[in-house]
Amino acid sequence: EVQLVESGGGLVQPGGSLRLSCAASGFTFSSYEMNWVRQAPGKGLEWVSYISSSGSTIYYADSVKGRFTISRDNAKNSLYLQMNSLRAEDTAVYYCARDRGSYSEIDYWGQGTLVTVSS
Amino acid sequence: QLVLTQSPSASASLGASVKLTCTLSSGHSSYAIAWHQQQPEKGPRYLMKLNSDGSHSKGDGIPDRFSGSSSGAERYLTISSLQSEDEADYYCQTWGTGKVFGGGTKLTVL
Repeated sequence: EVQLVESGGGLVQPGGSLRLSCAASGFTFSSYEMNWVRQAPGKGLEWVSYISSSGSTIYYADSVKGRFTISRDNAKNSLYLQMNSLRAEDTAVYYCARDRGSYSEIDYWGQGTLVTVSS
Repeated sequence: QLVLTQSPSASASLGASVKLTCTLSSGHSSYAIAWHQQQPEKGPRYLMKLNSDGSHSKGDGIPDRFSGSSSGAERYLTISSLQSEDEADYYCQTWGTGKVFGGGTKLTVL
């Protein structure tokens, strides 16, 4: 059974940093492309970042470019999101999500971790 | 620019059918999309991939009540024999260098 479990969320002050983790199991993690997607309270889904299976190709949404860094450790079956210079508008539930295949749709989601940016 | 447009809300009666629409922006009518369901207070769940020719492949455990179809730039999700647990937000999603989501449709089951 595919499982994606996020952790690392919490309350952080504006300008602060936070690192999210996603532990993957039930599939060969190193073969799949991965994403972070967020959802602000009461709002829709917003894609944040993508990383290829090897980590060699990375994309970011304009809203986080230069502040967030996606990475992965295939030996640890883990995906990460380093978030710096956090703003109030980054407050959201952050989901780890797997791509079904190369340049394709998301087919599995984690349960999410809440990040709150507030003083 | 690749944009997906969804109606904000829809409603239908218990046991009836409903058809939700996702419209691709001009110049992108050949794109495939995916449909995702998000029940209240839960994470999203993948329903299916829907191609421009209307062919679709569903995710694990998705009931036959869920089906997809296409016409031009429109992508549809049809849910038949509506049940109370179908009351949820439904998002369409496509992809280029990143992922693009529609704004979501909130489905109310009456």
